[in-house]
Amino acid sequence: GAVVSQHPSWVICKSGTSVKIECRSLDFQATTMFWYRQFPKQSLMLMATSNEGSKATYEQGVEKDKFLINHASLTLSTLTVTSAHPEDSSFYICSVRLAGPSYEQYFGPGTRLTVT
Amino acid sequence: GENVEQHPSTLSVQEGDSAVIKCTYSDSASNYFPWYKQELGKRPQLIIDIRSNVGEKKDQRIAVTLNKTAKHFSLHITETQPEDSAVYFCAASISPDKVIFGPGTSLSVIP
Repeated sequence: GAVVSQHPSWVICKSGTSVKIECRSLDFQATTMFWYRQFPKQSLMLMATSNEGSKATYEQGVEKDKFLINHASLTLSTLTVTSAHPEDSSFYICSVRLAGPSYEQYFGPGTRLTVT
Repeated sequence: GENVEQHPSTLSVQEGDSAVIKCTYSDSASNYFPWYKQELGKRPQLIIDIRSNVGEKKDQRIAVTLNKTAKHFSLHITETQPEDSAVYFCAASISPDKVIFGPGTSLSVIP
């Protein structure tokens, strides 16, 4: 499998500020990365698909201007939560998919965001 | 779009017994069905997956069955152990870049 890291593992920020979360593929080049959000005791909801060198594809209902995604290299994707509000508090998890026809996704450890 | 349902939402079994979790999906074009295990505060871990051209797959104590006609698939865990306690998610995918997760099943294995 693939090794995926996220940074930070947890963050607390004040309402109105922005927070950046990094997702790194440590042992292979990931052309596609995914960002999920998971509220307590709920399932993983896909927010966007991040493709290296191109604009991210956002799922319906996800504000692209609020959740900025940058996939500048084959090993790094970032999610910036802009003007965060308490309702944005959640567990944000990235995953990577191996290049080619493989469907398998490997998840990062997640980032716990708390907005006060 | 694809919709995945999962039952039961919670499941409690005695250690050593079997556990079965069932999922249904709506899009007949789905062709990949992974199962993930997630411990509290941790990342989801892929435990087994099955493709639509296969009816059953087994890996030690874990097995998955797929009924394409009925559009449902199931996870079977035999000889359950306390460390099997976690939330299990089924998922369905029609393409490598679109995986839809079920709502999850919280499994508790009682020693």
